[in-house]
Amino acid sequence: GAVVSQHPSRVICKSGTSVKIECRSLDFQATTMFWYRQFPKQSLMLMATSNEGSKATYEQGVEKDKFLINHASLTLSTLTVTSAHPEDSSFYICSARSTGGTGELFFGEGSRLTVL
Amino acid sequence: GDSVTQMEGPVTLSEEAFLTINCTYTATGYPSLFWYVQYPGEGLQLLLKATKADDKGSNKGFEATYRKETTSFHLEKGSVQVSDSAVYFCALVGTSGSRLTFGEGTQLTVNP
Repeated sequence: GAVVSQHPSRVICKSGTSVKIECRSLDFQATTMFWYRQFPKQSLMLMATSNEGSKATYEQGVEKDKFLINHASLTLSTLTVTSAHPEDSSFYICSARSTGGTGELFFGEGSRLTVL
Repeated sequence: GDSVTQMEGPVTLSEEAFLTINCTYTATGYPSLFWYVQYPGEGLQLLLKATKADDKGSNKGFEATYRKETTSFHLEKGSVQVSDSAVYFCALVGTSGSRLTFGEGTQLTVNP
């Protein structure tokens, strides 16, 4: 089946630095990718919808300047957490929708961010 | 808006026990329904899906039937294994778009 890869899987950074997480669709083109955040023992919260070649659509309450999303090609979307703080520590998961089908999404392995 | 409600966890079972995780939904029209599984430290994997009423999704011994009359999509397995220990998420995609709405997740632990 379709594969979505995230990198890095784990990252530790100091408070105030910026971190970039990549999401790639390896064997299909994805015009739309989604970024989720998952807090410990909680469900996934949709942060934003990333559209290739256009601006991302952010969910209510998600800071656009804090979580920068770029979808420069049909196989790559990036999430940059700017000026990270400890409260940004979380598990970030991306997903990509394959063309056609019933809305099935393929998920990346997730990226665990720890901000010290 | 669309919503998914899952049975509260955690659920702890012995190996070979029968599993049911309840899931009900609220949505307009005829959404597509999914069960995802998340193993510790990993992303989500699609377990099974159903796209119309009365469809039964199945995979790896797990089954779920799309019940329009009760707006439910309960997950079942006749005999669980230790390797089934994971968090299970019920989800739907509404007819209005591609946005996936998740339930809260149910932690399953299977003891030998």
